[in-house]
Amino acid sequence: DGGITQSPKYLFRKEGQNVTLSCEQNLNHDAMYWYRQDPGQGLRLIYYSQIVNDFQKGDIAEGYSVSREKKESFPLTVTSAQKNPTAFYLCASSIPRGSDTQYFGPGTRLTVL
Amino acid sequence: GENVEQHPSTLSVQEGDSAVIKCTYSDSASNYFPWYKQELGKGPQLIIDIRSNVGEKKDQRIAVTLNKTAKHFSLHITETQPEDSAVYFCAASIWGKLIFGQGTELSVKP
Repeated sequence: DGGITQSPKYLFRKEGQNVTLSCEQNLNHDAMYWYRQDPGQGLRLIYYSQIVNDFQKGDIAEGYSVSREKKESFPLTVTSAQKNPTAFYLCASSIPRGSDTQYFGPGTRLTVL
Repeated sequence: GENVEQHPSTLSVQEGDSAVIKCTYSDSASNYFPWYKQELGKGPQLIIDIRSNVGEKKDQRIAVTLNKTAKHFSLHITETQPEDSAVYFCAASIWGKLIFGQGTELSVKP
């Protein structure tokens, strides 16, 4: 897991509520990423940010939002518009432009009741 | 866009045997191919990677081979141990993003 922390490990929310997942890194990495993982599937990219105050949509951005106000932090908000939010969410970071190696955090399992 | 196919989806071997997991990618512009190991309830951990200017890389019991012409790469684990049991993911990097395969659940039976 390196220097990437995600909190909390387990999160429960009622349907219709927004929820924010935390991701912090102390690796001094410029780029950060959010992935969603469903059982039996690979990781799918939600949002990514190559630099502070800038981010781009990934393959499944609908119903999610992010911010990147600090280099160390990249919080993900799962909004009520996300139709099937129950999943395992993974945050990663890397040094872009020369290294594509991504290092992952421990993940947050979100369950919407 | 880039697509990564991974096979098999499950693999069961006896302790001490070798295990091979194969991936194919579609975009010839991909130039970096990492492999991750994920244990239950944890985040993926990088175990080995290879860049497009190299055909093979080895780290103790783990090796990765890359065939750029055929656009496929493979993970080889020799002398498997029960602690190798996990889900393994391949990925291909293109334009700064990783595209992941579907994963292989490896089970090593003692």
